Amino acid sequence: SQTIHQWPATLVQPVGSPLSLECTVEGTSNPNLYWYRQAAGRGLQLLFYSVGIGQISSEVPQNLSASRPQDRQFILSSKKLLLSDSGFYLCAWAGQGLDTQYFGPGTRLTVL
Amino acid sequence: AQSVTQLGSHVSVSEGALVLLRCNYSSSVPPYLFWYVQYPNQGLQLLLKYTSAATLVKGINGFEAEFKKSETSFHLTKPSAHMSDAAEYFCAVPLGSSASKIIFGSGTRLSIRP
Repeated sequence: SQTIHQWPATLVQPVGSPLSLECTVEGTSNPNLYWYRQAAGRGLQLLFYSVGIGQISSEVPQNLSASRPQDRQFILSSKKLLLSDSGFYLCAWAGQGLDTQYFGPGTRLTVL
Repeated sequence: AQSVTQLGSHVSVSEGALVLLRCNYSSSVPPYLFWYVQYPNQGLQLLLKYTSAATLVKGINGFEAEFKKSETSFHLTKPSAHMSDAAEYFCAVPLGSSASKIIFGSGTRLSIRP
């Protein structure tokens, strides 16, 4: 069966520091991968998605970037965090049938 | 463009009462419709998914949803609420013909009164 992992689970970072969040998927190959952000009391915002290694589409211009160095690995990064980057970051995957997205456990990021 | 609306940002019911969470989609019949549940500080878990195979869809934890084309609705119900049902619920719809990109509703927080 397929599983999706995210780490770290929680992170507290000062403004201006770098960020690296990692997401990995097991049990599937060539998935679509997604990064979403959920700000406090708000819905889900799609940040990036990837259909393959090295292929990244950005949905919202911002302070963040994404990379996919391996088929089942998706990384969210920032060179300098802003207060507004605080939120709950969710990674998701969709199989080749593209009929459902499945979500990871999330990373709670607090920027102080 | 396709969108989804969830009426009621917060719904409160008594334990044992009927749960009804509302979701309406905006335009043409979508290939899929989803309900996800999110417990505090956790990711989203798929509750159920509509495909064209059946209009009444049964999901996990005793939930079900009925697709009604005439009402452009996909409301989520459960006959008897349990304390463990307290969570945030999201309705979602694909932007196109696949779930490659999906749009989420703003969510409904369900509270259960003892």
